Amino acid sequence: EDQVTQSPEALRLQEGESSSLNCSYTVSGLRGLFWYRQDPGKGPEFLFTLYSAGEEKEKERLKATLTKKESFLHITAPKPEDSATYLCAVQFNYQLIWGAGTKLIIKP
Amino acid sequence: ETGVTQTPRHLVMGMTNKKSLKCEQHLGHNAMYWYKQSAKKPLELMFVYSLEERVENNSVPSRFSPECPNSSHLFLHLHTLQPEDSALYLCASSPSDRGDSPLHFGNGTRLTVT
Repeated sequence: EDQVTQSPEALRLQEGESSSLNCSYTVSGLRGLFWYRQDPGKGPEFLFTLYSAGEEKEKERLKATLTKKESFLHITAPKPEDSATYLCAVQFNYQLIWGAGTKLIIKP
Repeated sequence: ETGVTQTPRHLVMGMTNKKSLKCEQHLGHNAMYWYKQSAKKPLELMFVYSLEERVENNSVPSRFSPECPNSSHLFLHLHTLQPEDSALYLCASSPSDRGDSPLHFGNGTRLTVT
């Protein structure tokens, strides 16, 4: 069964404490993997698209990487404003399969 | 202001009521979507419209009825809902329905069914 799993479900970090979020998938024939950020009371906001294993994308303190089985969202020296839920979605054929998200909390 | 606007932001309705959710996109996109978001669950795709034609209906109960009068507007008509239908309903748009471009989401309607 095609599936996308995000871990951990929630992550609490101190400001400045770097870490990674994981998105693993069992989809065959990956066409793209998307990362979104969702703030409370808002819709998801697009961050990155990755298309092939080995690809990396960066934006401010965030870096997304992709292998054949998973993607990581690395956050370096996070700030409280990075607190949000991070969602990943995998595209195969013309469908998107979503993970349940990781809630990230950065304490000052 | 987001390119995708949803109204109302919050809605409380009884099980016998009829209400409608509205979505408007100002991005010139050809595809529009309704998603349901429940706590700690993945986004659930409900309906997809491409150039005003419905291209996907993911086995959604008939108490949810979509309408797309033009490529900029999307409605979700609700009637005789159940308490388990309480959730955040998100509208999104994208240049095409092929799934190969990012989705642009509105801020959702928080629906509570009493």
